[in-house]
This record gives sequence, C-alpha cells and structure tokens, in this order.
Amino acid sequence: ETGVTQTPRHLVMGMTNKKSLKCEQHLGHNAMYWYKQSAKKPLELMFVYNFKEQTENNSVPSRFSPECPNSSHLFLHLHTLQPEDSALYLCASSQGQVNSPLHFGNGTRLTVT
Amino acid sequence: SQQGEEDPQALSIQEGENATMNCSYKTSINNLQWYRQNSGRGLVHLILIRSNEREKHSGRLRVTLDTSKKSSSLLITASRAADTASYFCATARFLNTGGFKTIFGAGTRLFVKA
Repeated sequence: ETGVTQTPRHLVMGMTNKKSLKCEQHLGHNAMYWYKQSAKKPLELMFVYNFKEQTENNSVPSRFSPECPNSSHLFLHLHTLQPEDSALYLCASSQGQVNSPLHFGNGTRLTVT
Repeated sequence: SQQGEEDPQALSIQEGENATMNCSYKTSINNLQWYRQNSGRGLVHLILIRSNEREKHSGRLRVTLDTSKKSSSLLITASRAADTASYFCATARFLNTGGFKTIFGAGTRLFVKA
C-alpha cells in the first residue's frame, strides 16, 4: 500500500476532451512531482512543487496544467492532448531535501485517441 | 540529455544467481538512488548512496559508487523470482536556481527464472 494515491488508474480520452489527474499524499511531505513515463524512454520530470509553489517546469507544453492547492494534493489538468501524450503519469512526493527519496504513486495510464 | 544510463538494458538469470546492474552519469551529483518498478506500478525506492560514500548495503542489495568514473552498480545477491522488475538509477543534484533535480535513467529489466 503506497502513501501516495493517484486517480484514476486508467484514463482514455479524445484529443478534444478535458480531464484531470489527481494525486494525494498521506506522508506529510513538502514536495510533490509529476513524471511522465513513456515506453522505452527514461522517466521525464514534468513539474515540481515545494510548499505549494511551483519550482520546476521542465519545458512542458501548455496543454498540461498543474495545480497544487496544498502540500497534500496535486492535480494535472489535461486539454487538447495529442496521441503521443499517451503514457503512464506518475506522481511522487518527498520531504523536499536533496537526500530525501521519492515516494511514488502507482500512476495513471493515459491513452489519447 | 539523459543523466543516468543503465547497463545492461535487460538481464535474464536463474533464481539463486547474483544480478549486477550498472549506471553511468555525466554531471556532478549529491547522491545516487536506485529504484525498482514492477510492471504497471509506481517506482519503489531501494537505496540511496551519497556522493561521499563508496559502498552501501541493505539486505541482499549492495550499491557501489565511483565518483571518479561517474558510475554506480547495484548487486542483488541470491536472486528470487520475486526480484523480477525494472531497476532504475536516479541522480540528484543542486541547480543554480537553488532547487534540485532527481533525474532517472532508462532502467534495466531484470527477469529471474524460477
């Protein structure tokens, strides 16, 4: 059982849809992250939030819009996605220090049709 | 560019044998971490080794770090079928902006045959 919960586990959406991914951590961590995992590619860091403030946007297209209302919740709002955006989207949290390991959720498997 | 690169990309061994995976990186780091991922699941942190450490143990895991060669290895001893998974190295380093980044490699897929 992970301390980081992601919903939904699976999502199929059309290119004109708007959907949101949700992440919640129950570990009391200060930092939250979105990573994208595509087949045969390394994990790509998308966004980093520390104490609800965005500290990293790794050149992510604007069709991905993150939201962090508090230190326990993180959303990724999706609109007008492309088929190449299909991937496993992983949320993680940590204590926000460089030597703090990341705790991952089980991800949302996104398919864009 | 990719920071950590694992070698080999895939490894198949018999139960009871040892498995060794290697990771190379390009820039200076604060620490190097190893994670495990079962198919369709999230990553699970295994072990962290700091840049001033050379070797670390945790149960059947042994990690080495050679900062002069910018490389690390993960050794799993007496492997079990349940060790079948993908293993990733990740490096963490401070940024000029004052924050830090944790960057992952492409992973090694380990298959342990019963």
